[in-house]
Amino acid sequence: QQQVKQSPQSLIVQKGGISIINCAYENTAFDYFPWYQQFPGKGPALLIAIRPDVSEKKEGRFTISFNKSAKQFSLHIMDSQPGDSATYFCAATIMEYGNKLVFGAGTILRVKS
Amino acid sequence: NAGVTQTPKFQVLKTGQSMTLQCAQDMNHEYMSWYRQDPGMGLRLIHYSVGAGITDQGEVPNGYNVSRSTTEDFPLRLLSAAPSQTSVYFCASSYNEGTYEQYFGPGTRLTVT
Repeated sequence: QQQVKQSPQSLIVQKGGISIINCAYENTAFDYFPWYQQFPGKGPALLIAIRPDVSEKKEGRFTISFNKSAKQFSLHIMDSQPGDSATYFCAATIMEYGNKLVFGAGTILRVKS
Repeated sequence: NAGVTQTPKFQVLKTGQSMTLQCAQDMNHEYMSWYRQDPGMGLRLIHYSVGAGITDQGEVPNGYNVSRSTTEDFPLRLLSAAPSQTSVYFCASSYNEGTYEQYFGPGTRLTVT
């Protein structure tokens, strides 16, 4: 049973377009929701994260939208660039019990130039 | 700082063989963990450690052993490799278990035939 469900599995976006990746979770005790970016042959790296007390967080072209009542959160990449082509993972954890991340299955993003 | 380093990068084992995946970090991080990455399943936590001498199981610990004798090193041991352990293994670390950001190593790709 996957606690964090991520969609789509893959995504192709034109350069300059908006990339949107969605995640849904089951456990309402989750209190930290990070997104990780992974380039081929590399380990994941933290991209942006949000706590459930805010509905949106923006860092440059990357925005997390969070809907606590629907138990959903999403990553928006504005003005997508070929350099954004990577695999993106959403994750969740309960910080009180330690930093044990539960990951979504991942989304392979390709930005066409 | 080298960050989180992992060796080897690639490894092929025969069923029943044993081996140790090495992980080291030079950031004086207390918290270290091991994840495995499989297609369509994201990353899943195998074992983690909140400090030297303290380890605990994650989501998928069967078939793996860990120990933490120093702050810097957190090796993962496969006692009797099985084809189901074919995966990419990532080690990660963070300042402590209450620190949000985890730093991932470059990964070890393991194939068990």
